[in-house]
Amino acid sequence: ETGVTQTPRHLVMGMTNKKSLKCEQHLGHNAMYWYKQSAKKPLELMFVYNFKEQTENNSVPSRFSPECPNSSHLFLHLHTLQPEDSALYLCASSQEGFSGGVDNEQFFGPGTRLTVL
Amino acid sequence: QKEVEQNSGPLSVPEGAIASLNCTYSDRGSQSFFWYRQYSGKSPELIMSIYSNGDKEDGRFTAQLNKASQYVSLLIRDSQPSDSATYLCAVSSGYSTLTFGKGTMLLVSP
Repeated sequence: ETGVTQTPRHLVMGMTNKKSLKCEQHLGHNAMYWYKQSAKKPLELMFVYNFKEQTENNSVPSRFSPECPNSSHLFLHLHTLQPEDSALYLCASSQEGFSGGVDNEQFFGPGTRLTVL
Repeated sequence: QKEVEQNSGPLSVPEGAIASLNCTYSDRGSQSFFWYRQYSGKSPELIMSIYSNGDKEDGRFTAQLNKASQYVSLLIRDSQPSDSATYLCAVSSGYSTLTFGKGTMLLVSP
């Protein structure tokens, strides 16, 4: 595997379900991110982890719960979601937990298309 | 509130023409600028980064940055139908995360 991988690629869940999204990066990076992409909206940053520590939570509802056991893996645990949470969820990684500077570009995984019924 | 503005398009160009995509940003302290390409149903793919004023060329792509005008652009020469995608502009102020624009849809007709 190379780059950033995400599973599952598609997920349909009811509002009472609990599910988890998984992200793994094979780039040796130290920072990982969760983004939400809805139609007609810019990418919305949800969470940032730098060296396994959460450094940013962008006022995300508690029904989204991130977990970062190590610098290569990132999870997003989902429970009691709403239909408006249906979106493409993207994981990204970069060398460091800030995005400025040369050679600190973010690279994205393929995303999980989530549908909440 | 940091903002990145892009015309949503679609920008339609014929095959072989130059496509010009524009982006303005509100934070004068921005230091790093990126262009991502996103095909429909796919994730964003980094195609260019630029950090200093002027032009940066990579193959058919040229990124242009003017910090005084808070403006960054992407030129695509000899546009191909395979270039049809949404192009996202992203900006960072150094020790902060990326702020993305909504993207410009580019359509290249054969």
